[in-house]
Amino acid sequence: DTGVSQNPRHKITKRGQNVTFRCDPISEHNRLYWYRQTLGQGPEFLTYFQNEAQLEKSRLLSDRFSAERPKGSFSTLEIQRTEQGDSAMYLCASSPPDSRYNTGELFFGEGSRLTVL
Amino acid sequence: KQEVTQIPAALSVPEGENLVLNCSFTDSAIYNLQWFRQDPGKGLTSLLLIQSSQREQTSGRLNASLDKSSGRSTLYIAASQPGDSATYLCAVRQETSGSRLTFGEGTQLTVNP
Repeated sequence: DTGVSQNPRHKITKRGQNVTFRCDPISEHNRLYWYRQTLGQGPEFLTYFQNEAQLEKSRLLSDRFSAERPKGSFSTLEIQRTEQGDSAMYLCASSPPDSRYNTGELFFGEGSRLTVL
Repeated sequence: KQEVTQIPAALSVPEGENLVLNCSFTDSAIYNLQWFRQDPGKGLTSLLLIQSSQREQTSGRLNASLDKSSGRSTLYIAASQPGDSATYLCAVRQETSGSRLTFGEGTQLTVNP
């Protein structure tokens, strides 16, 4: 078990550029989540996938944001035309399917920190 | 809409002290509640998860309790150590949210040697 892996860990970009983050969940976890965390705040939900299907999207996810999970394994989160307000830590989490023997626990990665200049 | 509040926002204690962190939530129809630890600039590490049907969970020096009807949870840390210094976050999952967690803003704990 290598845990949830996120890349890159840090990204500095200029306003208006596009950025993409990747998340590799724990193997056999069919659920994958993206959260955003700004300094001093708790994480806020962005979107949720079950296998390759995107089942929930927060209103925080503006049309400049897009997330994909094409094969139900890794996921990407792309931000187009970045703005300074996009500066945050982007966290990915995964969890196994709900079952009688599964607690529904979420496992988070180390996050990808974005700084928009 | 679920709202999660954590009190205090920050706490500084001397090493060896027992301490309690508080978490409250407005909608009691939860599926589970999870406590996390976050070190500066790092991701979240899961500490304890309590199912809605449970009253408490224990792991080492940590004990988490849940009073679902009153919308409260506490995280008890026994014999605190400097290595416990971190931000502690609680998060609830609703029965009908499809798995998303709603987080509090966290309690920043400093344990002084």
